[in-house]
Amino acid sequence: DQQVKQNSPSLSVQEGRISILNCDYTNSMFDYFLWYKKYPAEGPTFLISISSIKDKNEDGRFTVFLNKSAKHLSLHIVPSQPGDSAVYFCAASAGAQKLVFGQGTRLTINP
Amino acid sequence: NAGVTQTPKFQVLKTGQSMTLQCAQDMNHNSMYWYRQDPGMGLRLIYYSASEGTTDKGEVPNGYNVSRLNKREFSLRLESAAPSQTSVYFCASSEATPGQGALEQYFGPGTRLTVT
Repeated sequence: DQQVKQNSPSLSVQEGRISILNCDYTNSMFDYFLWYKKYPAEGPTFLISISSIKDKNEDGRFTVFLNKSAKHLSLHIVPSQPGDSAVYFCAASAGAQKLVFGQGTRLTINP
Repeated sequence: NAGVTQTPKFQVLKTGQSMTLQCAQDMNHNSMYWYRQDPGMGLRLIYYSASEGTTDKGEVPNGYNVSRLNKREFSLRLESAAPSQTSVYFCASSEATPGQGALEQYFGPGTRLTVT
């Protein structure tokens, strides 16, 4: 049972436009959500997180939105840059130290 | 600071061979984790250690053992490798303490393991 799902395996966006990556979850006990970015042959790097008591968190070009009623999480990148091309993973935690990851979405930024 | 380091970077094993993947962190983190990443499946937790001296199973622990040698080091052992264990293995660490809940985890560069 996949508790965290990223239904889009890939996404292609033009440079300068907005990239929107989506994530759905099924476990209503999840209370902390994170986004990671991964380049080939490297480990994932932390991007941004949000607690379930908030519905938005912003850090520079990156904003994460949480819709608890829909069990939906999204990451907005504005404006998109070529260096943003990577695989993005969302992850969630249910009050414990373990994270559950989605399958990942490969983002390609086109010049 | 090196962050999280893993050795080796690459390894090829024959079915039935054993090996230990090493992980060390220099951030004085309490918690450490081992994940495997397979195509289309994201990262799946194998084992984790919430503090020195404790270890717990994750989502896919079968075929693996771990040792939290000290606060810095957390090793993953494959006693009898199988082709199904071909994967990329990532170690991670976090400041989270028992009972605190999750915090962001910091990952090593990974070990690419092939079992033939």
